[in-house]
Amino acid sequence: NAGVMQNPRHLVRRRGQEARLRCSPMKGHSHVYWYRQLPEEGLKFMVYLQKENIIDESGMPKERFSAEFPKEGPSILRIQQVVRGDSAAYFCASSPPLLGGNSPLHFGNGTRLTVT
Amino acid sequence: AQKVTQAQTEISVVEKEDVTLDCVYETRDTTYYLFWYKQPPSGELVFLIRRNSFDEQNEISGRYSWNFQKSTSSFNFTITASQVVDSAVYFCALTGGTSYGKLTFGQGTILTVHP
Repeated sequence: NAGVMQNPRHLVRRRGQEARLRCSPMKGHSHVYWYRQLPEEGLKFMVYLQKENIIDESGMPKERFSAEFPKEGPSILRIQQVVRGDSAAYFCASSPPLLGGNSPLHFGNGTRLTVT
Repeated sequence: AQKVTQAQTEISVVEKEDVTLDCVYETRDTTYYLFWYKQPPSGELVFLIRRNSFDEQNEISGRYSWNFQKSTSSFNFTITASQVVDSAVYFCALTGGTSYGKLTFGQGTILTVHP
């Protein structure tokens, strides 16, 4: 019973390159959430996606960042032309459409992006 | 807007001491959910508990216990007889009733348990 799977675990990119972070939700989950944890800071919501739809992207930086969750395959968080300030841990979580009661919300192990 | 405040930035205790991590929240939602997560030095986020706003019963799980008080908008977490393996950053988080996975996190409390 696999949990939320993120890969790669670590990613190193030079300034100006593109970073692609992948998140495979738990089986049966159709909703994905991405979070960013900058060094020495807490976690901040970035984007909430359903299959083929962006529901809430209020936490996404206006430029260079995009996210998708296609009908088939994992959710992708894409960062174009990375800069040093993008260095952070990126986490995703998944859920079914309704998460009632005291159901857990599990996160993946995260992708640690380092921009050199 | 939602807000979560963890006033204790760092706590240091000696093994076997009890320790309470405070969490105070603000929300206008009548239905909401509160969470605690543990982030050990290895970096992953470990789910500890989720509590909905209609359930004010306190929860105990082994050495962990949680005290939810709507009257003071607090959801405090106590570790009894702390152990070195409890050393981690602990986050309290809040979400409203319609967007379950959109969490507002507190800044976290760094707990260090010394042998």
